[in-house]
Amino acid sequence: DQQVKQNSPSLSVQEGRISILNCDYTNSMFDYFLWYKKYPAEGPTFLISISSIKDKNEDGRFTVFLNKSAKHLSLHIVPSQPGDSAVYFCAVLGYGGSQGNLIFGKGTKLSVKP
Amino acid sequence: EAQVTQNPRYLITVTGKKLTVTCSQNMNHEYMSWYRQDPGLGLRQIYYSMNVEVTDKGDVPEGYKVSRKEKRNFPLILESPSPNQTSLYFCATRRGAANSYEQYFGPGTRLTVT
Repeated sequence: DQQVKQNSPSLSVQEGRISILNCDYTNSMFDYFLWYKKYPAEGPTFLISISSIKDKNEDGRFTVFLNKSAKHLSLHIVPSQPGDSAVYFCAVLGYGGSQGNLIFGKGTKLSVKP
Repeated sequence: EAQVTQNPRYLITVTGKKLTVTCSQNMNHEYMSWYRQDPGLGLRQIYYSMNVEVTDKGDVPEGYKVSRKEKRNFPLILESPSPNQTSLYFCATRRGAANSYEQYFGPGTRLTVT
């Protein structure tokens, strides 16, 4: 069963508008969350992370929000730029048997149209 | 320059012909891992290594072997490749499982098994 769910396989946004990518997780014991961005023909690159002791972390145009009670996190990109077009993976730091390993969602493909 | 290198980048092979995909990092990282990326399935962990001579199975280890004889290298071995191992493979590293969660990925190896 999926522990990390990204329910939107794709998202299309106009340049300059906000992009919101969502991620849900199943285990309330997860306490560290990351977002990775992946361009075609390249490996994923780290984008931003958040610990469970926070509910928001901001880095330039990128902000991650964490709602622990809902087991939900989201990535906001404001304003969106065409260069942000990529696949975005949500990841959580595993717990118990998966301790120390990152568990990834299936990804959301973001297209930012000029 | 901090790097994770993989070789080869592209490989077409036939069923049953043993192959090795190499992964090397110059960051002195303890933790290394292999993932495969398949359409609709995201990134799934194959094997990981916490340090030299310490390896363990990830979520999809069947049909793969790994070794960690030295810190910088973590080869992925397919003893008898099958068509269901056609995939995009990524090696990843990070400083240590307990104190740093940002992973650095290699550029990927696209493998086709006919």
